[in-house]
Amino acid sequence: QQQVKQSPQSLIVQKGGISIINCAYENTAFDYFPWYQQFPGKGPALLIAIRPDVSEKKEGRFTISFNKSAKQFSLHIMDSQPGDSATYFCAASYSYMDSNYQLIWGAGTKLIIKP
Amino acid sequence: NAGVTQTPKFQVLKTGQSMTLQCAQDMNHEYMSWYRQDPGMGLRLIHYSVGAGITDQGEVPNGYNVSRSTTEDFPLRLLSAAPSQTSVYFCASSKGGGQPQHFGDGTRLSIL
Repeated sequence: QQQVKQSPQSLIVQKGGISIINCAYENTAFDYFPWYQQFPGKGPALLIAIRPDVSEKKEGRFTISFNKSAKQFSLHIMDSQPGDSATYFCAASYSYMDSNYQLIWGAGTKLIIKP
Repeated sequence: NAGVTQTPKFQVLKTGQSMTLQCAQDMNHEYMSWYRQDPGMGLRLIHYSVGAGITDQGEVPNGYNVSRSTTEDFPLRLLSAAPSQTSVYFCASSKGGGQPQHFGDGTRLSIL
C-alpha cells in the first residue's frame, strides 16, 4: 500500500516532442506528489509538485496531471529539449502536522531527448 | 548559500571497515534524511530525523547508525562495511512534512 509505481523505466523522445512519465499509488492518504529531476553526478532536485485538490499544475514546459479517482499522476514535458535528458522520479507522501513523514519514491525514468 | 554539503564525494572501503559519511545543511531545516540509490531501485530511505536529538529508521536501516546532535549535521555511520552497501548515498533536508527536499550531490561508496 506504500508503493509508488513508475513507468516507463526508460524513454527516448525526439527533440520538440512530448515526454510523458506515469506514476500510480495505492495509499489514498497521500496528499503531496512531487517530481524530481536528477542529472548524472548530482542529487535529485524538485521540479514540480502537486496536491490532490487540483487536477493539473503547469510550470513552463512541465505539467503534472493528477487523477485522484484512478490514483495516478503523470509528468508531461512539452517541446522536449536535449537539456531535459535526465532521470525523473515521482514520489508521494502525507504531510500531516507535527508528525513524521516519509517520501515514497518511484523507481525512476531515464529520459533521453534525441537532437 | 551552500545548501546541503556531503563529504566525502568518493570512498573505497574494505569489507569490515567502518566510516562516517558527513552531511551538513545551512538552511535551518528540521527534517534530514539519508537515502541510498541503486540502479533500477530509485531512492531508499535509510534513516531520518525530524529535529535535533530525534532519529528514526527508514526502509533499509540495517548496518547503519545515525545521530542528530545539532540542527545542521546528520552523519551516517557504517558500522562494518559489506559489499552490499556499495551504493550512492544522498543526504537531504527540508523544512518539514510535505515540503521540498534539498539534496546534496552524494557520496559514491565502493566496498571491496
